[in-house]
Amino acid sequence: DQQVKQNSPSLSVQEGRISILNCDYTNSMFDYFLWYKKYPAEGPTFLISISSIKDKNEDGRFTVFLNKSAKHLSLHIVPSQPGDSAVYFCAARYGGATNKLIFGTGTLLAVQP
Amino acid sequence: EPEVTQTPSHQVTQMGQEVILRCVPISNHLYFYWYRQILGQKVEFLVSFYNNEISEKSEIFDDQFSVERPDGSNFTLKIRSTKLEDSAMYFCASGTGSYGYTFGSGTRLTVV
Repeated sequence: DQQVKQNSPSLSVQEGRISILNCDYTNSMFDYFLWYKKYPAEGPTFLISISSIKDKNEDGRFTVFLNKSAKHLSLHIVPSQPGDSAVYFCAARYGGATNKLIFGTGTLLAVQP
Repeated sequence: EPEVTQTPSHQVTQMGQEVILRCVPISNHLYFYWYRQILGQKVEFLVSFYNNEISEKSEIFDDQFSVERPDGSNFTLKIRSTKLEDSAMYFCASGTGSYGYTFGSGTRLTVV
């Protein structure tokens, strides 16, 4: 039961251009959505989040958009830099006592110089 | 910047052996988690721990798994009798109870 889906396993973008990573979810009970970045042999690193009551959150080069009616969120990185090359995981949180996160399968972003 | 520390970084064990994966969470965090990632697959929730007890566990977290906070600083995951399919990266995480938390760099467990 894949409650959080990232349908693109990989994405290649030229340096300086926009990277758009997409994520779909099925459970309306998620209250927060997060993006994590992961380099090989490292743990996931928190990047940016958005509350389910918002539709946009921006932090520097990173912007997350949430479309609740479509159960879809996206992460925009602009301008993309070679150091952004990593696996990006979308995650959704169940509220309540545990703060359990449900992760998508990840998208490997390659930013070409 | 505070970080979550995991040891060892890589553990190789024989099938059927017990392993203990260790984690030192960030000192003022109260919520602790274990996740795992089988090679090429998504990161999966195993268990959450708060106030010295398990607050939630996944169906993966069966009787072979246990967690402990033995001394107020360490947080351990024990697998009693390892199976080949337990081979994965195991990530410890800690948080304050808000939505984001900090992951360690993981322990790669290889069961042979």
